[in-house]
Amino acid sequence: DGGITQSPKYLFRKEGQNVTLSCEQNLNHDAMYWYRQDPGQGLRLIYYSQIVNDFQKGDIAEGYSVSREKKESFPLTVTSAQKNPTAFYLCASGKTSGDQGTQYFGPGTRLTVL
Amino acid sequence: AQSVTQPDIHITVSEGASLELRCNYSYGATPYLFWYVQSPGQGLQLLLKYFSGDTLVQGIKGFEAEFKRSQSSFNLRKPSVHWSDAAEYFCAVAALSGGYQKVTFGIGTKLQVIP
Repeated sequence: DGGITQSPKYLFRKEGQNVTLSCEQNLNHDAMYWYRQDPGQGLRLIYYSQIVNDFQKGDIAEGYSVSREKKESFPLTVTSAQKNPTAFYLCASGKTSGDQGTQYFGPGTRLTVL
Repeated sequence: AQSVTQPDIHITVSEGASLELRCNYSYGATPYLFWYVQSPGQGLQLLLKYFSGDTLVQGIKGFEAEFKRSQSSFNLRKPSVHWSDAAEYFCAVAALSGGYQKVTFGIGTKLQVIP
């Protein structure tokens, strides 16, 4: 089955620690995205990548970093510089041509800072 | 820049009743429009999308949506709601920005279904 996997489902972090969220897709999509979801705020774009070895900041990139070394993988690191990292994080992928912005989502990772 | 407004944060309907969730968008050109559904603690699932052509689009799970350019709306409808439809629904618009299709999501409408 093609799809997007995110791991872990739940993640706990102590203040001052960096943590990396995994996102893998086997849909052969060129584009991948990371969103943050907070209650009452919808989804906000953190980073996106349209091709391997290239990525761009979204609307709320401060305190986050990403890499795109393989087409299938787009890990997100939440650094200690992120002031309020407790949230639900969603990864998505999509085509870069055709399908006009349709995105397909993973199941999400809930990060809690203790 | 595009924007999406979902004016109803929370809606309660009885099982078997009809449903309409409102969505208004702001974009200068023809938008690409989407509805997604999210169950608690899960990712978003695509219900339907509108790119062009027939303004009434059919989706999965018996949902449909109608694009009305004059009203800048893309409302989601279902004739008879089932208890399993209880979830949060997101309207989204995609528009070309900086060389890629930037997607902007509304804040969501949480649907409660009562027996």
